[in-house]
Amino acid sequence: DQQVKQNSPSLSVQEGRISILNCDYTNSMFDYFLWYKKYPAEGPTFLISISSIKDKNEDGRFTVFLNKSAKHLSLHIVPSQPGDSAVYFCAASGGPWANSKLTFGKGITLSVRP
Amino acid sequence: ETGVTQSPTHLIKTRGQQVTLRCSSQSGHNTVSWYQQALGQGPQFIFQYYREEENGRGNFPPRFSGLQFPNYSSELNVNALELDDSALYLCASSLVPASGGNKETQYFGPGTRLLVL
Repeated sequence: DQQVKQNSPSLSVQEGRISILNCDYTNSMFDYFLWYKKYPAEGPTFLISISSIKDKNEDGRFTVFLNKSAKHLSLHIVPSQPGDSAVYFCAASGGPWANSKLTFGKGITLSVRP
Repeated sequence: ETGVTQSPTHLIKTRGQQVTLRCSSQSGHNTVSWYQQALGQGPQFIFQYYREEENGRGNFPPRFSGLQFPNYSSELNVNALELDDSALYLCASSLVPASGGNKETQYFGPGTRLLVL
């Protein structure tokens, strides 16, 4: 039973446009959400996170939105750049203590066309 | 500040053998987690160590075991290797204050790619 779902395996956007990557979750105990970016032959790199007490967090070109009632979050990248082409993983953790295990989705491959 | 490092980068073993993978945490971090990433999947949590004690385990059999050392480096040991153990093994470190509390981001190493033949 997959608790974190990234239903679109890939996304292609034009350079300069917005990339919107979606993620759904089923476990109501999740209270912290993260996005990681992964290039081939490298480990996942932390991008941005959001606590369940917020509905938006912004860091430069990256914004994460959380809709708790819909159990849905999304990552917006504006403007998209060719260097953003990578696999993006949505991850979630739950529980009162720091560093509960991360549960990952399967990832979305983003291609940004020049 | 040194990031998370893992060794070896690649490894080939045969079914039934045992393997040890190593991880050096980012400087100052006291918690390490291990994940298995099969082809086309997201990373799956194996277990976590905090101050040399196992602090949570995912749905992996006992032949997956680990250690964390006083310098916070870590090992993942897998006995009786099976073909399905072929995957990328990732370790992630983080700093958890003694008081616990706030979420701390986990930082990943580059991984060890294991192939079991």
